[in-house]
Amino acid sequence: AQKITQTQPGMFVQEKEAVTLDCTYDTSDQSYGLFWYKQPSSGEMIFLIYQGSYDEQNATEGRYSLNFQKARKSANLVISASQLGDSAMYFCAMREAATSNTGKLIFGQGTTLQVKP
Amino acid sequence: ETGVTQSPTHLIKTRGQQVTLRCSSQSGHNTVSWYQQALGQGPQFIFQYYREEENGRGNFPPRFSGLQFPNYSSELNVNALELDDSALYLCASSTDRGSTNEKLFFGSGTQLSVL
Repeated sequence: AQKITQTQPGMFVQEKEAVTLDCTYDTSDQSYGLFWYKQPSSGEMIFLIYQGSYDEQNATEGRYSLNFQKARKSANLVISASQLGDSAMYFCAMREAATSNTGKLIFGQGTTLQVKP
Repeated sequence: ETGVTQSPTHLIKTRGQQVTLRCSSQSGHNTVSWYQQALGQGPQFIFQYYREEENGRGNFPPRFSGLQFPNYSSELNVNALELDDSALYLCASSTDRGSTNEKLFFGSGTQLSVL
């Protein structure tokens, strides 16, 4: 069954340090997309980065990079040079090709990141 | 370019009542989806509307229903409210029904409390 697992309920990182947020996924579909979203206390989900299942290169967006290991079914988010504004909840999500036209995005439980000054 | 806006931001209802939540999609977007996010959980897909038709639904009972209007704005209606319906309801819009790389743009949500 399709599933996203985020095993770290909470993480701390020192300002300016790098941090890795873990995400593993389960799908029988060969074609899928993986997303990371940030949710500050305001509630809005903010798109950070996308990785397609057929993409050979790891995705990068500014300070965000995705460590994609397809064989291990993992898609970890790496945030470099953490800033105080990075403190938020982070969600990993997946869309499978089989259900992509229904709009269904499957989310993990999330990881709360706190950046310490 | 205006983003996704939702109203109201907070709502308190009593068990058994009915509620309507509203969402204006981002400019240029024709697809709207709704998610329920219980406290401390990830969002759960409720349904998606594309060109005024529901074209995808998650594991939610029929008392959760929706509408999409010609201007692509949307409503989520919940009848016979239950205590477990207390959650943050997120609306998201996109430019198409959803290829695997379709990015969703979310609003800030409506926090619904059912007493």
